Amino acid sequence: EAGVVQSPRYKIIEKKQPVAFWCNPISGHNTLYWYLQNLGQGPELLIRYENEEAVDDSQLPKDRFSAERLKGVDSTLKIQPAELGDSAVYLCASSRGTVNTGELFFGEGSRLTVL
Amino acid sequence: RKEVEQDPGPFNVPEGATVAFNCTYSNSASQSFFWYRQDCRKEPKLLMSVYSSGNEDGRFTAQLNRASQYISLLIRDSKLSDSATYLCGLETGGYQKVTFGTGTKLQVIP
Repeated sequence: EAGVVQSPRYKIIEKKQPVAFWCNPISGHNTLYWYLQNLGQGPELLIRYENEEAVDDSQLPKDRFSAERLKGVDSTLKIQPAELGDSAVYLCASSRGTVNTGELFFGEGSRLTVL
Repeated sequence: RKEVEQDPGPFNVPEGATVAFNCTYSNSASQSFFWYRQDCRKEPKLLMSVYSSGNEDGRFTAQLNRASQYISLLIRDSKLSDSATYLCGLETGGYQKVTFGTGTKLQVIP
């Protein structure tokens, strides 16, 4: 079974530029998450999807961040414009959507550096 | 108060030692608890779930104390390969929203 696939693995951009990350979850996983992880910190939830619906986006900075999950499979996370403080690892995860299992499968992450 | 708190460490322990980490949580409605392992520059992976009765998997034992609102992870006979960051995670309300702590870094030294 293929795992969660993310791209790009690494991205270096200048501030004020746009950037987009892509995620392909494990086949059959209805729930998809985008987390942000800063160095020395745990993952922080940005947005959670149940199929196509964003059911929790309360932590997503909507002035510059946007996300979509068309057709309930792949997802993209966009930042426009990027700021220096956005440098972090953006992790995508998926789960079967079964309540109380807590087993999230993470991708390898997209490491963003904003100069 | 943060929803999930962990001592960031690092915990430097010799091979063969027993080490324990705690993780405290603030929301008494939290229902499910987990320990994830994250190797340096890698993604987190589920290590084990934490059940009310406690659970054990080889050298690893996890326990839940609802009264004091903390979970623990005990590692016996530490191996060099146990060196990693251990993230505490919890799920509240059965909504598949998993909140993580900052992680505790473990370094097992020869």
